[in-house]
Amino acid sequence: DVKVTQSSRYLVKRTGEKVFLECVQDMDHENMFWYRQDPGLGLRLIYFSYDVKMKEKGDIPEGYSVSREKKERFSLILESASTNQTSMYLCASSQYSGDDGYTFGSGTRLTVV
Amino acid sequence: SQKIEQNSEALNIQEGKTATLTCNYTNYSPAYLQWYRQDPGRGPVFLLLIRENEKEKRKERLKVTFDTTLKQSLFHITASQPADSATYLCALDSSYKLIFGSGTRLLVRP
Repeated sequence: DVKVTQSSRYLVKRTGEKVFLECVQDMDHENMFWYRQDPGLGLRLIYFSYDVKMKEKGDIPEGYSVSREKKERFSLILESASTNQTSMYLCASSQYSGDDGYTFGSGTRLTVV
Repeated sequence: SQKIEQNSEALNIQEGKTATLTCNYTNYSPAYLQWYRQDPGRGPVFLLLIRENEKEKRKERLKVTFDTTLKQSLFHITASQPADSATYLCALDSSYKLIFGSGTRLLVRP
């Protein structure tokens, strides 16, 4: 069964900490994405990547960075966590064409205190 | 500005009936539109993709229509079951990435 695996289901961090969210896919997909999901706001795209070492800003990149050193792994980094970054973070991957839809991970619920 | 609208009010229907969910969009010209199902605390799961040149797509009890003139997609679940209760998200392609609506919650009563 193909999968997108996110390293943590629940995470609690302190304000100002540097936070790493890891995502690994085993489908050899070219594209990987990071979204955050908040009640009433839906899924909002933070960053995405079409290839190794390549990244593009989504709609809300401020306060975040990403790393894609290997095709299967896409990391989201919160440089200095703030309380307004408390959210559900979802990683997804897709083939280049996107025809088969996105495969999402189970999400990481991050709380910043 | 670009906008995707799904009914924020939950849809509550009786088992066996057809559920119809709506997705409207403005200031997009998507090449395709997708529908996803999301259960509480889980990531969305891909259901169907429909292209701009397709009027209708079916998969088992699911049917999706896509009207690029009205800028609207309808998502139907026929013979609905309590197990269909979930939030359903529509998503549009925009420059090779997906932009999601905020979803409509469906509740199917036994």
